Amino acid sequence: DAGVIQSPRHEVTEMGQEVTLRCKPISGHDYLFWYRQTMMRGLELLIYFNNNVPIDDSGMPEDRFSAKMPNASFSTLKIQPSEPRDSAVYFCASSKRLQGGNNYGYTFGSGTRLTVV
Amino acid sequence: KNQVEQSPQSLIILEGKNCTLQCNYTVSPFSNLRWYKQDTGRGPVSLTIMTFSENTKSNGRYTATLDADTKQSSLHITASQLSDSASYICVVGGDTGTASKLTFGTGTRLQVTL
Repeated sequence: DAGVIQSPRHEVTEMGQEVTLRCKPISGHDYLFWYRQTMMRGLELLIYFNNNVPIDDSGMPEDRFSAKMPNASFSTLKIQPSEPRDSAVYFCASSKRLQGGNNYGYTFGSGTRLTVV
Repeated sequence: KNQVEQSPQSLIILEGKNCTLQCNYTVSPFSNLRWYKQDTGRGPVSLTIMTFSENTKSNGRYTATLDADTKQSSLHITASQLSDSASYICVVGGDTGTASKLTFGTGTRLQVTL
């Protein structure tokens, strides 16, 4: 099991450019989450999918952010146009129900560190 | 508003010493409480998960406690090692049966030194 795979690991882009972050969840996990982490605010949920369907995107900061999950093995988070305040680490996580109960286990990817200059 | 507060914000201890990290939460409904370890440049990794009926859970040198009445949890690290240097994040799950509704603390940054 390779875990949750995110790419790229680091991204430096100029303000106004489009940025696309990618995530491959663990096979068999039916939930996928996109989080943003900053020193000031910690981990914030942006959007999550259940069985490839977006369920809650209320955490997406503004229309410049969009996310898709075209199939069970791939998701993207796009920022267009990017701004310096978007600089943060973006994590993807996938989840499935834990055996023997109603709780879910989460596996996080290693994150994409985005710097917008 | 659901909140998870952790203390201290940061901590420096000598290798071999024990330490305890605190977590207070106001999350309703409450389903479970998790502790994660996040190494620099990596994603959070689960250490323990406890439900309402569990008071303690261990994972090697890590022991988490939960007092659902006072809405407090602690993470105790025994005989610390340099590799324990990381951020420790307390996370409360607010809904049974779904994967959503997690509330994250901002973490305690632990540094273990020689």
